[in-house]
Formats: sequence, C-alpha cells, structure tokens
Amino acid sequence: GIQVEQSPPDLILQEGANSTLRCNFSDSVNNLQWFHQNPWGQLINLFYIPSGTKQNGRLSATTVATERYSLLYISSSQTTDSGVYFCAVKAAGNKLTFGGGTRVLVKP
Amino acid sequence: DSGVTQTPKHLITATGQRVTLRCSPRSGDLSVYWYQQSLDQGLQFLIQYYNGEERAKGNILERFSAQQFPDLHSELNLSSLELGDSALYFCASSVDAGNKGRAFFGQGTRLTVV
Repeated sequence: GIQVEQSPPDLILQEGANSTLRCNFSDSVNNLQWFHQNPWGQLINLFYIPSGTKQNGRLSATTVATERYSLLYISSSQTTDSGVYFCAVKAAGNKLTFGGGTRVLVKP
Repeated sequence: DSGVTQTPKHLITATGQRVTLRCSPRSGDLSVYWYQQSLDQGLQFLIQYYNGEERAKGNILERFSAQQFPDLHSELNLSSLELGDSALYFCASSVDAGNKGRAFFGQGTRLTVV
C-alpha cells in the first residue's frame, strides 16, 4: 500500500515563529488532507488539498502532486497550535492512509 | 464541532467483554469510516460503509464487526476484548464513497480494557 512519511517528527517553536511541515507519499494520490489533533485528542480537518495551494488564516498548504509531497505552513505560531499534525492520503480505493504525524509544541 | 457524534466518550471494560461504539455522521454524509488510534500503531483504518453497505475494509480483526443502519448511524462492535484493544476509536464521515472530498472526525471513544 501507499506509504506516507511526515517530517520532522517533533517540532518545538517559540510563540510567533514560523514553521514548515512536510508530507511525502509513495504513489499518486487523488485526495490529500491535513489534520490537527489537539491535546484533547480531537482530529480537526484543516485542508483538503490534492493539488495546488490553499490558505486558511495563519495556516497554508501546498501540494505538488507530480513530485509526491505536500507542505503545511504555520505562520506566527500560537500556543493553541500545539498538538499533532497529520497528513492523510487516498490513492486507489477509499482508504485514507495517515502519516505518522508531526508533534508540535509552541512555547509562550 | 465537526458534526460527527460518537458515544460514549470513555469506556472502561474487562478483558473478554464485548462493547458497542456508536457514531452518527454529519447531516447529509452517506459514508462512515472507523479508525483505531493506538500509541504504537498510529491511526489505522478499520472499515468503511456507504449508505448501509460495506465499501472498504482495512486491518480489522475478526473479533470486530461494524454495520451502518438505514438512518446512517453506524456501530462498531468489539468482542472478546484484549488488553491490546485499548485505544482511541474514531468515526469519520464524508459526503460520498469515493476518493474526493473531506473526512470529518468525531471526538472519539477512548476504550480502556483492564
């Protein structure tokens, strides 16, 4: 099956800093989503982005499908951005395959 | 609030027992997905239903089963529970059965098997 790798595994930021999270996938995909799992465990859908660039407030994402990667940008980070960020993809079939996540801690 | 409702939020039970987790999808969504999140396995896809029919199956154990009812809510049944079944179980829903579109997750059911 498709492999999804996220980097870095852990990220510590000072409040106000910017960061980039990366997601690499091993095969062509027609669905790519980014999620944020907050410290209470809730999984929040941030972006549906099989290709191109989208922005939502301080977050933006870019997927380059031909090169099999996606990037999530966090600008002016806040403590509420802490948690785990997951990339998830669908290739053939209906299964949404998740990467291992990037754990982000934003310090005040 | 994602619009996906899962009950119960927490469940503590003994080994060998059987439990049922319930999920109500977002209004208008026909697809329901079940995922298991454990510390060592990450987020693992279990099974998908679309409009009452099974559409895709992941690494779901034979001790586990699921169904989707005519009102589109879904239940995940876990039987002969083992300590290793302790995990966070998520339900997600989406509009269609295919590859497009977003999945929205419920708050999860945290299962502890003692």
